[in-house]
Amino acid sequence: EVQLVESGGGLVKPGGSLRLSCAASGFTFSNTWMNWVRQAPGKGLEWVGRIKGKTDGETIDYAEPVKGRFTISRDDSKTTLYLQMNSLETEDTAVYYCTTVRWTTLFDYWGQGALVTVSS
Amino acid sequence: DIQMTQSPSTLSASVGDRVTITCRASQSINSWLAWYQQKPGKAPKLLIYKASTLESGVPSRFSGSGAGTEFTLTISSLQPDDFATYYCQQYTNYFNFGPGTKVEMK
Repeated sequence: EVQLVESGGGLVKPGGSLRLSCAASGFTFSNTWMNWVRQAPGKGLEWVGRIKGKTDGETIDYAEPVKGRFTISRDDSKTTLYLQMNSLETEDTAVYYCTTVRWTTLFDYWGQGALVTVSS
Repeated sequence: DIQMTQSPSTLSASVGDRVTITCRASQSINSWLAWYQQKPGKAPKLLIYKASTLESGVPSRFSGSGAGTEFTLTISSLQPDDFATYYCQQYTNYFNFGPGTKVEMK
């Protein structure tokens, strides 16, 4: 059974940093592309970024609003995905989900989400 | 950037009703469109991909159609479990979601 469990969310001041983790199990993590998607309170879904699997070079793509501030990485030995968030802004307040990616495009399995609140 | 719109933003319906949600893309996305269902406090769930292909395990009362810039999600007979928010998503050029359509009880 595929499981994705996010952790690391919390309250942080504007300009601060936070790192989210997504512990994965139940599938071959190293070759699986992974996403981060976020959802501001009461709002819609927004893609944050994606990291490809080992056989595809672990290339990373980011959405424009987070480029230069957020960094996606993975540790295949720990089957864990990370999202390092720097220079946080109040607009980054959201629930952050990690997802698996099927066939390079479909977001098929999702974690339960981690709430990040950016506020002074 | 491809913009996605959905209509209506809220839809009031009763159990047994036929429900249709429309999604439009700002440019052609061929059939590279997915639909997701989200219930309050839960993660989204993939329902349909490639505009009309039903994800495994999704009830057959859900169907999708369209190509190019206009797409529809139809629920043929609304069930109590279907009250939720539905999002379309293009995946031809990275990923963009529509703003969502909330299906609520009339």
